[in-house]
Amino acid sequence: QVHLAESGGGVVQPGRSLRLSCAASGFKFRSYGMYWVRQAPGKGLDWVAVILYDGSKGYYAESVKGRFTVSRDNSKNTLYLQMNNLSAEDTAVYYCAKEAPGDDYSGLDVWGQGTTVTVSS
Amino acid sequence: SYELTQPPSVSVSPGQTARITCSGDALATRHGYWYQKRPGQAPILLIYKDTERPSGIPERFSGSSSGATVTLTISGVQAEDEADYYCQSPDISGAYPHVFGTGTKVNVL
Repeated sequence: QVHLAESGGGVVQPGRSLRLSCAASGFKFRSYGMYWVRQAPGKGLDWVAVILYDGSKGYYAESVKGRFTVSRDNSKNTLYLQMNNLSAEDTAVYYCAKEAPGDDYSGLDVWGQGTTVTVSS
Repeated sequence: SYELTQPPSVSVSPGQTARITCSGDALATRHGYWYQKRPGQAPILLIYKDTERPSGIPERFSGSSSGATVTLTISGVQAEDEADYYCQSPDISGAYPHVFGTGTKVNVL
């Protein structure tokens, strides 16, 4: 069964760091691009970062560029999001999501249940 | 990155048809994708590449495209369809990222 499970969320003070993990199972993790998407309280979905299937390149939303780093360990079937210099605006539920199979982009077909990050003093 | 514009809300009675639009310049040449998001739940992919429906998605969900607008149609709306709906698309180059639209709340009256 295809499954994604995020972990690592919590309450953190402004300016501090946090690392999120996303454990994948039930599919060939190393074959798919992976996304981090967040939803702040009362707001819409916002893409945060995406990483290519082989980890060779990551892309970032302007709001997190220079502070967040996406990475993956294909030997451990795990996706990561290192978040530094956090601010209140980063408070959100963070989801990892898998790209659907296909020769080109076919959407995000599997999502984790999300992990909550709260940035507060 | 660029923006995809959706109406904030759509209200529909059970059994009727709801249509949600998503507009963005890149949609004239790029595909659109649709997700359903219920509170406390993970998003679900409803439509990919404008019109394709993943396995397991009910037939009452359909997608279409015209010009720089894609449309999600929910036929025979059910109470369980009350949720937020988001479109997604790459920018005009087709490369990453694939941004999300502003979101539409479907209210089932």
